[in-house]
Amino acid sequence: KNQVEQSPQSLIILEGKNCTLQCNYTVSPFSNLRWYKQDTGRGPVSLTIMTFSENTKSNGRYTATLDADTKQSSLHITASQLSDSASYICVVRGQAGTALIFGKGTTLSVSS
Amino acid sequence: NAGVTQTPKFQVLKTGQSMTLQCAQDMNHEYMSWYRQDPGMGLRLIHYSVGAGITDQGEVPNGYNVSRSTTEDFPLRLLSAAPSQTSVYFCASTQTKAGGTGELFFGEGSRLTVL
Repeated sequence: KNQVEQSPQSLIILEGKNCTLQCNYTVSPFSNLRWYKQDTGRGPVSLTIMTFSENTKSNGRYTATLDADTKQSSLHITASQLSDSASYICVVRGQAGTALIFGKGTTLSVSS
Repeated sequence: NAGVTQTPKFQVLKTGQSMTLQCAQDMNHEYMSWYRQDPGMGLRLIHYSVGAGITDQGEVPNGYNVSRSTTEDFPLRLLSAAPSQTSVYFCASTQTKAGGTGELFFGEGSRLTVL
């Protein structure tokens, strides 16, 4: 069964600290993986996409990694800011004809 | 630069009432979809459409109807609301033609409470 598991479920960190969110998937055959950020009361917005051939991709203070062999991805946030407080959702797309598989998200709280 | 627009943002219904959640996009996307988001459950697909005149069921379609008469609009209808339909609903669209990235563009959500 195609599944996407995210950990931790929630996380609290101090402003300025780094953190890493995990996404493990069983979707096969794999096409791509996206990380979305969802601010409270808003719709999710794409942060980055990882395809099979990509290992690392950065978007400002966000760095995503992908290990297609172990079917794992991580999202690393550097020097966290209060505005990073949000839910982060991992979404995996299989190859043609496969539905998108959503993780349940990690809720990050950054405190001052 | 509107993107995906959902209305209403908030709605309270009584059990058995009907209503329609509106969704419109101005990006000429073929694919449109409706999700519900509940605490601890993540986003779950209700219905989707790959083009005007074509709709299909997602993971949790019971109690909901959709239609797609134009590329721009994809309304979600609740025929007889139940308390179990209390949720936050998101509409999303994406480009599916060659060259499209598959990025979902979401609306701001519609928070529905059924008493």
